[in-house]
Amino acid sequence: DAKTTQPPSMDCAEGRAANLPCNHSTISGNEYVYWYRQIHSQGPQYIIHGLKNNETNEMASLIITEDRKSSTLILPHATLRDTAVYYCIVRVKITGGGNKLTFGTGTQLKVEL
Amino acid sequence: KAGVTQTPRYLIKTRGQQVTLSCSPISGHRSVSWYQQTPGQGLQFLFEYFSETQRNKGNFPGRFSGRQFSNSRSEMNVSTLELGDSALYLCASSLGTGAFRELFFGEGSRLTVL
Repeated sequence: DAKTTQPPSMDCAEGRAANLPCNHSTISGNEYVYWYRQIHSQGPQYIIHGLKNNETNEMASLIITEDRKSSTLILPHATLRDTAVYYCIVRVKITGGGNKLTFGTGTQLKVEL
Repeated sequence: KAGVTQTPRYLIKTRGQQVTLSCSPISGHRSVSWYQQTPGQGLQFLFEYFSETQRNKGNFPGRFSGRQFSNSRSEMNVSTLELGDSALYLCASSLGTGAFRELFFGEGSRLTVL
């Protein structure tokens, strides 16, 4: 699985959009980008995933650059409850390939009043 | 719908002892995977089970083992505990191991080795 690079920490004002970047310059054509987050003392929570098109769900939007070497997770209206460590993960989608995820160090997002 | 349940939530052991952690997946989920989280190494994959068979294994010594029962519940065992085994052990379940499946994590079992 390709390696990802994320800033160690970011701050965001409550109510504003939080834009979390992720670099995955060695991503292969058959690798997906996944985002999980981990709120303190809880297990990680799936947020969103995508291949090359932008994706949106009720939690967030995922913007993937055309060359797929980087992506941005957008929380449109961050709240205090969004304070968490956000993990960007790249993995190959293989039928029967299992659910092994390689977590990096993630970005600690702090949402403040 | 109940989430992933892990027991015990907290436990303290001494070096050389062994420990067994339990994970009950979401009803209908057949895949269970285990992760270790420490401040120094972050989240690391231990192993994954599907239909009572180990499908993937991470880079951990043989002291770490697991199994899955016919009802999809899983246990992991760590023998001859070392101080470095102190960690949060997380279990995740999913419907299967085919095309991408969202992983649902439990709240973890926090192990302290003295």
